[in-house]
Amino acid sequence: DVKVTQSSRYLVKRTGEKVFLECVQDMDHENMFWYRQDPGLGLRLIYFSYDVKMKEKGDIPEGYSVSREKKERFSLILESASTNQTSMYLCASGDWVEQYFGPGTRLTVT
Amino acid sequence: GESVGLHLPTLSVQEGDNSIINCAYSNSASDYFIWYKQESGKGPQFIIDIRSNMDKRQGQRVTVLLNKTVKHLSLQIAATQPGDSAVYFCAENSGGSNYKLTFGKGTLLTVNP
Repeated sequence: DVKVTQSSRYLVKRTGEKVFLECVQDMDHENMFWYRQDPGLGLRLIYFSYDVKMKEKGDIPEGYSVSREKKERFSLILESASTNQTSMYLCASGDWVEQYFGPGTRLTVT
Repeated sequence: GESVGLHLPTLSVQEGDNSIINCAYSNSASDYFIWYKQESGKGPQFIIDIRSNMDKRQGQRVTVLLNKTVKHLSLQIAATQPGDSAVYFCAENSGGSNYKLTFGKGTLLTVNP
């Protein structure tokens, strides 16, 4: 059974904190993705990676960075969390048609 | 910019009925159109895709129809079951040099027993 796991289901952080969201996939996929999901806005791509140490900006990269040191692991970093980054964060791996998603991390920034 | 949207934000059906979820798209250059299902508390799950050179594709209890003339995509679910209750997203792959998957905003399907 294919699997994408995310380090936390729920996370509460304070404004200005540095936040790390971790994602691991066991399918040996080249591509990994980070989305945020907000009511009424659907899923929006933050960053993606097509290989180790490679990354590309998505639609809304501002305020975020990513790290891909190993093929199976893709991290999303909020350098200085802000309240407008309160959201559901979804990690995925796969190709540009079929992607496998993790269960999501609901991040609240207070 | 290009966008993928949905006609109906919510759809309520009786168990056993057929469901039809609609989606409008604006990027005529899209290469693939895809449907995802998201159950409560879970990440989206791939259901079915259709390439732009096709107009119909069938899966298990699901059929996707593509009408390029009016830029319309639909997902038909036969004999809808309570387990089909979820948010359904259409998505498009714009292909070319911009391999990005763009999601619509979702339709909530509720199946009444």
